[in-house]
Amino acid sequence: DTGVSQDPRHKITKRGQNVTFRCDPISEHNRLYWYRQTLGQGPEFLTYFQNEAQLEKSRLLSDRFSAERPKGSFSTLEIQRTEQGDSAMYLCASSFVSGANVLTFGAGSRLTVL
Amino acid sequence: EDQVTQSPEALRLQEGESSSLNCSYTVSGLRGLFWYRQDPGKGPEFLFTLYSAGEEKEKERLKATLTKKESFLHITAPKPEDSATYLCAVQGSNDYKLSFGAGTTVTVRA
Repeated sequence: DTGVSQDPRHKITKRGQNVTFRCDPISEHNRLYWYRQTLGQGPEFLTYFQNEAQLEKSRLLSDRFSAERPKGSFSTLEIQRTEQGDSAMYLCASSFVSGANVLTFGAGSRLTVL
Repeated sequence: EDQVTQSPEALRLQEGESSSLNCSYTVSGLRGLFWYRQDPGKGPEFLFTLYSAGEEKEKERLKATLTKKESFLHITAPKPEDSATYLCAVQGSNDYKLSFGAGTTVTVRA
């Protein structure tokens, strides 16, 4: 098992462009989470899936953000019409449904909006 | 809404100088309190889960304890490789996500 994989690791884009991040979770995990982290802050919850169902979205997730998890496997996070305030590390995590919801995080995708 | 406050924001230690990090929390029914370690440019790495007041867990030079309102992460005789940001997170009883604090950045000088 290679852990949680995220791609790309770093994306530089111009304001107004669309970007998409991909996350491949640990294969036997059925929950998948997206978090956003800015410098000096802890991860902030964005959304999570159980299998292919998106069960919760944060108020932080504006209409420009959309996440999908087709067939309950990998997930994508798309940001449309990027703004400079979207610059952050986007973290993906996965977990197995059990009493202890230990999240395993990927290395993150760093977004820089110029 | 779950709240997690960590202190201090930063901690500079000499190698071998033991210290403690604090995590204060408010949550509607605690399902679990989690400690993670994060190195620069990497994702958080799981350290411990604590479930109920009075519980303690240890791993090498780290020991985590839990009360009804806070958790402590004790670092005993730290080494430079213990330098990292330590994150605390909580999961409420009716929740499936973790809510994180801002972290404590620990720097251990040789």
